[in-house]
Amino acid sequence: SAVISQKPSRDICQRGTSLTIQCQVDSQVTMMFWYRQQPGQSLTLIATANQGSEATYESGFVIDKFPISRPNLTFSTLTVSNMSPEDSSIYLCSVDWPEAFFGQGTRLTVV
Amino acid sequence: ELKVEQNPLFLSMQEGKNYTIYCNYSTTSDRLYWYRQDPGKSLESLFVLLSNGAVKQEGRLMASLDTKARLSTLHITAAVHDLSATYFCAPHLNTDKLIFGTGTRLQVFP
Repeated sequence: SAVISQKPSRDICQRGTSLTIQCQVDSQVTMMFWYRQQPGQSLTLIATANQGSEATYESGFVIDKFPISRPNLTFSTLTVSNMSPEDSSIYLCSVDWPEAFFGQGTRLTVV
Repeated sequence: ELKVEQNPLFLSMQEGKNYTIYCNYSTTSDRLYWYRQDPGKSLESLFVLLSNGAVKQEGRLMASLDTKARLSTLHITAAVHDLSATYFCAPHLNTDKLIFGTGTRLQVFP
């Protein structure tokens, strides 16, 4: 199974600021995924990140708000920009190989 | 529109009882995952079901998949308090995405 390290594990941020979340995988993977879980809700896919190309965003998510980097096959970052309290969620990165595994998540609170 | 529906959304059950959680999805999927999530934690993979008729069991949990009916079930046998958590099903699409169900919050009481 893949080991996924995500950091920070939690943060409290002021509105209007940005936070970058890092995701490191212990093996090379083609695709990495970023999900959001709002309080008491299920998980929603934000975007798919392939190495060497721009991320593909799901409906309702835009690059200006959630820029993603994928510099190599083991690492990705998600930035939550110009945060508001509505961005308070758990953000999780995931890989699809050999199975769908998830990082520990980043619990973000925006005040 | 792709939909993944779980029911029930909330389940309160007594220790020792049996119950089934249902997961219906609206599009073709090549495999389906079940996850457990404890409060404030990430997802723990329970099962991945790869084909029609697949059945997997681990302890008091058993999962099955009917791809023709687009239905998966998670059966709980003789529930114990440690099973209290939220359970999610997630069909895997051929675009490599996972689409999560609404989740079933399970509470087991003495």
